[in-house]
Amino acid sequence: NAGVTQTPKFRVLKTGQSMTLLCAQDMNHEYMYWYRQDPGMGLRLIHYSVGEGTTAKGEVPDGYNVSRLKKQNFLLGLESAAPSQTSVYFCASRAPRVYNSPLHFGNGTRLTVT
Amino acid sequence: QKEVEQDPGPLSVPEGAIVSLNCTYSNSAFQYFMWYRQYSRKGPELLMYTYSSGNKEDGRFTAQVDKSSKYISLFIRDSQPSDSATYLCAMRLSNTGNQFYFGTGTSLTVIP
Repeated sequence: NAGVTQTPKFRVLKTGQSMTLLCAQDMNHEYMYWYRQDPGMGLRLIHYSVGEGTTAKGEVPDGYNVSRLKKQNFLLGLESAAPSQTSVYFCASRAPRVYNSPLHFGNGTRLTVT
Repeated sequence: QKEVEQDPGPLSVPEGAIVSLNCTYSNSAFQYFMWYRQYSRKGPELLMYTYSSGNKEDGRFTAQVDKSSKYISLFIRDSQPSDSATYLCAMRLSNTGNQFYFGTGTSLTVIP
């Protein structure tokens, strides 16, 4: 049981380049989330999805787009990367109908934008 | 002012010590309180989940919530080197909402 898998693990981009981060979960969770984690800032929600075909903005959505075409996958896109998007990105999933269901996190994608 | 405040540390203790980790918050509407543990270069994993005020114990870990003071704590008894990690507190307004409010994390090192 892999849980939440994020690819790639590391990436270096130049300013203006684009990329897609992939998150896959095998727990049949309905809800999926993208967070970024920065020193001194904690985890901040970028976008989330409450089901296949749905997405919603979180706390820091600017510069990012997402898609949830399949229940098990949640993609995070950067159309034109900026140095301010250098961060560690975490995907998480949750089963909302399970009482006290926690967030299950992947191991992160470390992105550097030069 | 951040919704959730957490001292980043770092905190360094000898093996066997009792560790106290704390968070304060500003929104009195928070009802659900969590502690996550994050090892280096890994994602956070849930340690404790509590509702409203009171204590919850799980092995060497005890979570304490004082809603009147807007203060939560995590106690680790008989700390082990394997407890060395960053500990994040998190809170929710309700059990159905999608917003989790995280502290910035406290880095803990347990020295053998």
